[in-house]
Amino acid sequence: AQKITQTQPGMFVQEKEAVTLDCTYDTSDPSYGLFWYKQPSSGEMIFLIYQGSYDQQNATEGRYSLNFQKARKSANLVISASQLGDSAMYFCAMRLWETGANNLFFGTGTRLTVIP
Amino acid sequence: ETGVTQSPTHLIKTRGQQVTLRCSSQSGHNTVSWYQQALGQGPQFIFQYYREEENGRGNFPPRFSGLQFPNYSSELNVNALELDDSALYLCASSLELTGPGNTIYFGEGSWLTVV
Repeated sequence: AQKITQTQPGMFVQEKEAVTLDCTYDTSDPSYGLFWYKQPSSGEMIFLIYQGSYDQQNATEGRYSLNFQKARKSANLVISASQLGDSAMYFCAMRLWETGANNLFFGTGTRLTVIP
Repeated sequence: ETGVTQSPTHLIKTRGQQVTLRCSSQSGHNTVSWYQQALGQGPQFIFQYYREEENGRGNFPPRFSGLQFPNYSSELNVNALELDDSALYLCASSLELTGPGNTIYFGEGSWLTVV
């Protein structure tokens, strides 16, 4: 069965510091994609970054990078130079190729609080 | 701004009633998915519509149904509402199924409270 695990219910980080949010996944499907979304209190899920299972390099998008360790089945999100606006819920999600649908499996999320 | 719009943003219904939620997908996106997010949880996949047909369904009962229209907008209908249906309902859109990396964009959601 497919599963996403986020073990950090809450994290605190000082403004301008870097923070790592953990995500591990479980699937027997060789083809999958891993996503990170940010969810402010308004509710909208904002796409941050994507990593494919066959990608050779770790994905980066501005201040966001994904530390992909395939053998350990982990896909941690690194946010550099944290800003107050980064305070939100962060969800890791996985999509499988074989399901043939845009069915994202989500973790339970990590609430990030940036301290001034 | 993702271009995915949902309505209404908030609503309150009574147990046993029916509700319809609406979604306009991002321009050019022909695939729409619906998710239910209970308080303190991650979103759960309800179903997906591709070119006006249901194409994939999660573990939700038949009283959760949907439609997709020729302009790719979509509706989620829930009959016989139960208290546990209280949640944030998210609509997501994407391009044709081109692979696991097909980016999926979400709307701001509809907050449903069942009393």
